[in-house]
Amino acid sequence: ELKVEQNPLFLSMQEGKNYTIYCNYSTTSDRLYWYRQDPGKSLESLFVLLSNGAVKQEGRLMASLDTKARLSTLHITAAVHDLSATYFCAVDGGAQKLVFGQGTRLTINP
Amino acid sequence: NAGVTQTPKFRILKIGQSMTLQCTQDMNHNYMYWYRQDPGMGLKLIYYSVGAGITDKGEVPNGYNVSRSTTEDFPLRLELAAPSQTSVYFCASSYSYGRAANEQFFGPGTRLTVL
Repeated sequence: ELKVEQNPLFLSMQEGKNYTIYCNYSTTSDRLYWYRQDPGKSLESLFVLLSNGAVKQEGRLMASLDTKARLSTLHITAAVHDLSATYFCAVDGGAQKLVFGQGTRLTINP
Repeated sequence: NAGVTQTPKFRILKIGQSMTLQCTQDMNHNYMYWYRQDPGMGLKLIYYSVGAGITDKGEVPNGYNVSRSTTEDFPLRLELAAPSQTSVYFCASSYSYGRAANEQFFGPGTRLTVL
């Protein structure tokens, strides 16, 4: 059974700092997704990582995938308040059925 | 394009009542999904469909039923509502095409409370 774990689950950081969210998964998959959710809202797709070594960047966010280590990271550079949200990783467990991590609630303070 | 739409946005049910959550997508996606999100948790797959007439169970299907008679619509039926079904329900859709991204696009959600 595929399990997906994120850490940390809660992260409070100051504007301007860098930090990384980790997503570990338990069985082989070569397709991983990152989503953002604002309070009371739906999920917004951030990144799709399709192969080992894939790296995607958008603004202050960068995601990477290491399929051999079964690990993806979401790196935040010089955080700004607008990035405060909950971030989910999700792994394709086969037939495009996604298994989600618990989410990382990120709060960025001025 | 409206994308994925869901109705209703909010609903309160009494224990034992039934209801149908509606989901429609206008992107001509062949795959559709239903998830539930409990407070402070990730999403869990209830049911999914790979095309009209084809549905299958996800991780947490008990207490729910689905049907898919058209490409666009994928309603979720709750029979005999229980407090454990209090949750936010999200519908999603995606293409399935080879090695493409096949990312899932989510609707706005239905917040359901069972009392």
